Amino acid sequence: GQQVMQIPQYQHVQEGEDFTTYCNSSTTLSNIQWYKQRPGGHPVFLIQLVKSGEVKKQKRLTFQFGEAKKNSSLHITATQTTDVGTYFCAEAYGGATNKLIFGTGTLLAVQP
Amino acid sequence: DTGVSQNPRHKITKRGQNVTFRCDPISEHNRLYWYRQTLGQGPEFLTYFQNEAQLEKSRLLSDRFSAERPKGSFSTLEIQRTEQGDSAMYLCASSQLGGTNTEAFFGQGTRLTVV
Repeated sequence: GQQVMQIPQYQHVQEGEDFTTYCNSSTTLSNIQWYKQRPGGHPVFLIQLVKSGEVKKQKRLTFQFGEAKKNSSLHITATQTTDVGTYFCAEAYGGATNKLIFGTGTLLAVQP
Repeated sequence: DTGVSQNPRHKITKRGQNVTFRCDPISEHNRLYWYRQTLGQGPEFLTYFQNEAQLEKSRLLSDRFSAERPKGSFSTLEIQRTEQGDSAMYLCASSQLGGTNTEAFFGQGTRLTVV
């Protein structure tokens, strides 16, 4: 079945440093969504990418979808303590169902 | 609050007991999903409703699990004869059918502990 891997599993940064998480699939993705889950919280939608090579920005966050639509990345510039949490990529899969197939997640810790 | 609501937030039960969770989606959303999340893992799809019809069930959903959405509004997830391996966070999500944005809105989840 599909498998979406994320690296790294865990990243510890000093506040102000940059952070990047990568999402890789063995198959072509029809789309990619990114979610953030704070410790003890629930996943919250950040963005959806659909087009090959697409780049979208939200303030300090930059999202990219690979040219081959098999990988994606999330880059955070100048991390803040509010960025702490687990970042998941996910594909909305299954045609009419649009169920989410989540990646393994990257836990970000930010030291003040 | 017009978000997705789940009850209870926490449930501790003894092995072998039955439990039922409720999800109230965002009112205009006709898609409803149940996911299960264990510590350190991403959510895993369990089942999908479009209005009142249950259109897909994961192989993860054993015979002990049943879900309903009788009037196309709230949904319930029942686990019969609970096992310790059922301990997890059960998340409900809803979204709107149609359009290009398939953003899912998640509830706070029900954390189940089977002792």
